Order: sequence, then structure tokens, then C-alpha cells
Amino acid sequence: DGGITQSPKYLFRKEGQNVTLSCEQNLNHDAMYWYRQDPGQGLRLIYYSQIVNDFQKGDIAEGYSVSREKKESFPLTVTSAQKNPTAFYLCASSIEVGRDQYFGPGTRLLVL
Amino acid sequence: AQTVTQSQPEMSVQEAETVTLSCTYDTSESNYYLFWYKQPPSRQMILVIRQEAYKQQNATENRFSVNFQKAAKSFSLKISDSQLGDTAMYFCAFRDSNYQLIWGAGTKLIIKP
Repeated sequence: DGGITQSPKYLFRKEGQNVTLSCEQNLNHDAMYWYRQDPGQGLRLIYYSQIVNDFQKGDIAEGYSVSREKKESFPLTVTSAQKNPTAFYLCASSIEVGRDQYFGPGTRLLVL
Repeated sequence: AQTVTQSQPEMSVQEAETVTLSCTYDTSESNYYLFWYKQPPSRQMILVIRQEAYKQQNATENRFSVNFQKAAKSFSLKISDSQLGDTAMYFCAFRDSNYQLIWGAGTKLIIKP
């Protein structure tokens, strides 16, 4: 089955800890995206990648980092610099930037 | 800056009824795309329908159709013969010339049996 997978489904972070959210796609898409979703708000773009070894900051990149070493994978690290990380995180991909985006099932991050 | 506004935080209708969700946007661009996404309780975001601004004809996908009014910057979603599985959050989104999606805050739609 082609699709986008995210893991884990739930993640807990302690104060001062970095955590990494996984996103994998087998759709052969070049572009991948990370969004943050907070209650009562639309999605906000954290980072996106047009192609392997390339990524660009979105609207709320502070406190987050990404890598794109493989076409299939676009992990997101939530660093200790992100003071309010509790949110739902969605990963998406598209054939190329500007084309329709398809989403993974999301990861819920909670702070202990 | 482009903005997307969904003025209805929550709506509910009876099964089999027709419901219309509102969306307005603000942009100075002339060529763009508009989308409706559905997020059911599973929280998986699903693309419902897409409209290209240069096309005058309103997009339709089975029971889902849009009323695109470019001059008024309005993009409403009509769901006909609503079903229980249509219960979800619905998000309107605008894709700008940088190919980034600008999202509305969403409308929670409840279909009652």
C-alpha cells in the first residue's frame, strides 16, 4: 500500500529534552512538509523540503529542525528551544512543490 | 498577507440534508488554488475538492461541490445528501504563488442520525 506513515502516534517529552518525530512515504514524492496543528487554529507550516538534501523554513520554524537525507524520509526534531511543543504534528508529501498534498495520520506530542 | 477565514466554528445537520460551509479569503493574486480538506475523528487530513482560480466552472466531486465567487473572494463547500461519515472538521486552504498552503481555522460539522 502506498502512503505516508508517521510514528509514534503519541510522544511524551520531558523538559529540556529533544524528541524526533518520524515521517516516511513510499509515494515517490519529491516534496515533503511538516505542519503543526493547535486547537481552534488552522495548520501552520514548520518546514518543507522540495528535494533530497534541501529544506526551507516555514512560518514557525523556531525550535524545530529537520533533515532530508533520503527521498522517503523527513524526520522532525522538536528541540528544547521550543517552549510550547504540545500540539498535533502532521507530515505531508506531494509529487513536487505546488502539487496536491497528501497527509500522514499525525503524531500527538505532549509535555510531561 | 493572505488570510483564510471560516466564520462558522461548528454546524450540525440531520443525515440526508444539504449543508453549506463558508470560506472567505484575502489575496491580491489572480492565479491561485483553493482547497477543502476533511479531518475526521481519526485526524487523518483528506483532500475533498480543489478549485483553480482561473476556471469559472465550479468543481464537483460526487456529493461535494463548491460555489466559487472570485470577485467576492468566497469559496463555500456544499455537501449534498449528508452522511454520518461526513462528520469531521473541514478546513479551507489557499495556495499562494510560493506554493504554500494558508489554512482557515476550520468548521466542525456534525451529522446527526
